[in-house]
Amino acid sequence: GAVVSQHPSRVICKSGTSVKIECRSLDFQATTMFWYRQFPKKSLMLMATSNEGSKATYEQGVEKDKFLINHASLTLSTLTVTSAHPEDSSFYICSARIRERGPEAFFGQGTRLTVV
Amino acid sequence: GDSVTQMEGPVTLSEEAFLTINCTYTATGYPSLFWYVQYPGEGLQLLLKATKADDKGSNKGFEATYRKETTSFHLEKGSVQVSDSAVYFCALSNAGNNRKLIWGLGTSLAVNP
Repeated sequence: GAVVSQHPSRVICKSGTSVKIECRSLDFQATTMFWYRQFPKKSLMLMATSNEGSKATYEQGVEKDKFLINHASLTLSTLTVTSAHPEDSSFYICSARIRERGPEAFFGQGTRLTVV
Repeated sequence: GDSVTQMEGPVTLSEEAFLTINCTYTATGYPSLFWYVQYPGEGLQLLLKATKADDKGSNKGFEATYRKETTSFHLEKGSVQVSDSAVYFCALSNAGNNRKLIWGLGTSLAVNP
């Protein structure tokens, strides 16, 4: 149980376009979802935390107008990278938490974004 | 603030060797501690966890004991396999703040046959 599905797993887009990444909890209701960015050989950088039905809380230094997060339901959160540039190329990972399961987080497979 | 310090890699071992990856933390209160593993090209998976002092988490032959007196949560495995090659992340979660995970930098492990 507690499967998080992230889609797409890989995407290549042209500079200036927008890309949407979906994160779904398949068999549970995710009270909180987290979006991370992972740089090569670096740890995960938390970008934002979102609770269903409310605005996402962004970490310091993360542009909220560039990385739009929508947590429309208890099973779906989306991250849209707007007007993507090559420096946005990275591995993006979502995770979800179930309130009843305590602090454990469940991770999606990640999305490799390449902006050309 | 809370933080996790993890030994730097990469770590290269031969098959059946003993593995230790050190992890220490700084936190207020009583955090939960985790080890996550990321296999090449994949997302993170929970490897094991411990939620209170002296708890031992274990999974797939890996173990880690929550040591509050030394603020440590070192990962060990008695005999590694090639399939254990991955990046290992130590993390903690404290109450509040939506229980955000605080991450170590990750330790890359390569196991050679």
